Amino acid sequence: GENVEQHPSTLSVQEGDSAVIKCTYSDSASNYFPWYKQELGKGPQLIIDIRSNVGEKKDQRIAVTLNKTAKHFSLHITETQPEDSAVYFCAHQFLTGTASKLTFGTGTRLQVTL
Amino acid sequence: SQTIHQWPATLVQPVGSPLSLECTVEGTSNPNLYWYRQAAGRGLQLLFYSVGIGQISSEVPQNLSASRPQDRQFILSSKKLLLSDSGFYLCAWRVRGRNSPLHFGNGTRLTVT
Repeated sequence: GENVEQHPSTLSVQEGDSAVIKCTYSDSASNYFPWYKQELGKGPQLIIDIRSNVGEKKDQRIAVTLNKTAKHFSLHITETQPEDSAVYFCAHQFLTGTASKLTFGTGTRLQVTL
Repeated sequence: SQTIHQWPATLVQPVGSPLSLECTVEGTSNPNLYWYRQAAGRGLQLLFYSVGIGQISSEVPQNLSASRPQDRQFILSSKKLLLSDSGFYLCAWRVRGRNSPLHFGNGTRLTVT
């Protein structure tokens, strides 16, 4: 119930195009789905998150959609810019014992080309 | 505001030497604390988490250990490093309770030679 699959592993888009990254999870009890952006040599930074009681959330050029029935969620970046180039990780939360833990996808390396 | 500090930023250690990585959080109390490892080009593997002083949960059997001597201090240790311990180590914290965001430090790049 902990695993999350993330696709694609690499993604190259031209500046101005949209980028979509998809994740699939198996734990039906998961209720929190964050996305992180990791730049080279730095720790991951939270860019957007969604809770299971909503289907979509948007923040400027970034949006996340959640389909609880199908158990998948996606990150959408519109009007991509070179500074969007980074590794993106999805995650989902499940509860175990006294703590809740996040399980991360394997990451998507996004390259925005001029 | 809350901040997380991790040091050192980079470390090169010979096989068999000890390890101590430190992480501190400022601006919050009673956080949940986490150590993750990231192998080159791969995802994030949870190593340890702690819900309070002296309370450590281990996720995977390994050559490492963790301790939480103070509320906002989390230490990752090893008595004898292996080559396979090389990687990028990330400390993280979150407010206790469900559905709170996880915040990462900037990591320590460990190379075991």
